Amino acid sequence: GDSVTQMEGPVTLSEEAFLTINCTYTATGYPSLFWYVQYPGEGLQLLLKATKADDKGSNKGFEATYRKETTSFHLEKGSVQVSDSAVYFCALAVYNQGGKLIFGQGTELSVKP
Amino acid sequence: GAGVSQSPSNKVTEKGKDVELRCDPISGHTALYWYRQSLGQGLEFLIYFQGNSAPDKSGLPSDRFSAERTGGSVSTLTIQRTQQEDSAVYLCASSLESGVKGNEQFFGPGTRLTVL
Repeated sequence: GDSVTQMEGPVTLSEEAFLTINCTYTATGYPSLFWYVQYPGEGLQLLLKATKADDKGSNKGFEATYRKETTSFHLEKGSVQVSDSAVYFCALAVYNQGGKLIFGQGTELSVKP
Repeated sequence: GAGVSQSPSNKVTEKGKDVELRCDPISGHTALYWYRQSLGQGLEFLIYFQGNSAPDKSGLPSDRFSAERTGGSVSTLTIQRTQQEDSAVYLCASSLESGVKGNEQFFGPGTRLTVL
């Protein structure tokens, strides 16, 4: 079945460091890909998305490119801030099953000043 | 406008009791999804509704779990004879329509269920 694998955390970085969180997927169809973020004490919110190969999603300085050839959707940010500390979830949407989301296990990011 | 709301925010119950969790989606959203988030299993899909119909119940963990949606709006997730392994955060999400490529799902704050 469809699945998402993302790098294990926790990831600890200093402010202004470069961030990469790896995400790879397995899908029988042609899914859309998402990154959701969960800040401490808050609900899940969409960070960015991409719906087809080579699309780049971007938001708040974060970027991810839909790579069909490597079945990947790695999240990157050039310079992290303390306020980026959160849990990040990679997900794919299965459209022949109503668009249900299949999530990776989540990666906790902690940014130190 | 208002986002997805869920109630209660916290629920503590005794093993064997039944619980009902409620979700109010964003107005105008025809699709509604239930997920649960637990330490051992991560974020997992439970069920979705398009309108009042639930085409995919494949994620419900057992026949103790059921869900309904009325009037194309509010949904209730019911867990009968709760077990300790049911302890988790139950999340509800809604979107404009199910199965449309790129449609964003908006999540509620969740209900934290603790079964003693």
